[in-house]
Amino acid sequence: DADVTQTPRNRITKTGKRIMLECSQTKGHDRMYWYRQDPGLGLRLIYYSFDVKDINKGEISDGYSVSRQAQAKFSLSLESAIPNQTALYFCATSDLRAGVPEQFFGPGTRLTVL
Amino acid sequence: KQEVTQIPAALSVPEGENLVLNCSFTDSAIYNLQWFRQDPGKGLTSLLLIQSSQREQTSGRLNASLDKSSGRSTLYIAASQPGDSATYLCAASLSYNTDKLIFGTGTRLQVFP
Repeated sequence: DADVTQTPRNRITKTGKRIMLECSQTKGHDRMYWYRQDPGLGLRLIYYSFDVKDINKGEISDGYSVSRQAQAKFSLSLESAIPNQTALYFCATSDLRAGVPEQFFGPGTRLTVL
Repeated sequence: KQEVTQIPAALSVPEGENLVLNCSFTDSAIYNLQWFRQDPGKGLTSLLLIQSSQREQTSGRLNASLDKSSGRSTLYIAASQPGDSATYLCAASLSYNTDKLIFGTGTRLQVFP
């Protein structure tokens, strides 16, 4: 079984709809991240969390919100989706206790907003 | 602001060649540098991570080096194989505390038989 899973893997929605992307991990890591990937722009950090009570904005947090429901779960919400949020979204985890916080990524969610 | 650049954007080589992928960063005050592989429709697989105190890391046919003073990292792939075809991304971590990664836009590698 994959260590970092994302659901759904693909989603097509319409402008104005509320969308939630979910991420779960079995690695026991404390840190979790959400990134988006756009062609020609690389991956950019949306939000990150170091534990259940900790939420931090990343580079491009406008239009997004997150919830860290448990150590193993980190959800990304688009309250009112717009077409320029069409992208590939990745969840990642890392473990501070390991001393070197190498990041491990999920398979991604391809979101299309029409 | 830290910027990470990867050149070339795409590379096509015959099987068996040794090749070098380049990654440049503008701010030498990085905490570590990580190389990833991305296959179409799939997530990122971590290949190598070099801490700021290290000069290089090796895993099998892969060797990554880091030169902070010149703002460069290279990924060396020995004896390339068609299975190495993928997009390779480098990412710089700015600090131990924040652990945020700044990604390059990647090099798309194709190895043909």
